[in-house]
Amino acid sequence: EAGVAQSPRYKIIEKRQSVAFWCNPISGHATLYWYQQILGQGPKLLIQFQNNGVVDDSQLPKDRFSAERLKGVDSTLKIQPAKLEDSAVYLCASSQYGPSAEQYFGPGTRLTVT
Amino acid sequence: GENVEQHPSTLSVQEGDSAVIKCTYSDSASNYFPWYKQELGKRPQLIIDIRSNVGEKKDQRIAVTLNKTAKHFSLHITETQPEDSAVYFCAASSQDTGNQFYFGTGTSLTVIP
Repeated sequence: EAGVAQSPRYKIIEKRQSVAFWCNPISGHATLYWYQQILGQGPKLLIQFQNNGVVDDSQLPKDRFSAERLKGVDSTLKIQPAKLEDSAVYLCASSQYGPSAEQYFGPGTRLTVT
Repeated sequence: GENVEQHPSTLSVQEGDSAVIKCTYSDSASNYFPWYKQELGKRPQLIIDIRSNVGEKKDQRIAVTLNKTAKHFSLHITETQPEDSAVYFCAASSQDTGNQFYFGTGTSLTVIP
């Protein structure tokens, strides 16, 4: 089966600029996650969608980050305006609905804010 | 919320030796514990997982043990090979928190040929 797709793979922007990331989950996966992985750390959940509804966005910095999954399939994550500390890899993952469901990760987008 | 701690942060072993990575968790409601392997510049990939109704699970050279009472679980890799070199992450999740994964900080394993 096709895996989780993400684009772009790399992005370099200046602080205060805006950036958007796109994710296409595995077909049929109802749950979609966005993680932020800072170098040397484990992935940290930013937001979790169940179909097109938000399950958890408690760790999303809502003053600058936003995410949507309008049709319950693809998702976009936006940062506006970006800060230096936003430099990280942004990973998208998807899973089937239900407890203990394996999460499949995309290749990630490496963001560098200068 | 859940807090997952992982040790050690770095681990070097000789090829053929065993490697053990340990994690502790804080939320007694956590009932699913996956382990992910992440090679440099690549996506995390699931290598083994264990559910709270099982104390141990093995898959070839990889095994995971779970002690629910003590709230800790461990990854064991036997007969290590250079291709095992990677960063390993443990995670914990529970249905009570929407199956969200709480990841440890990772262990960088180097297998010396």
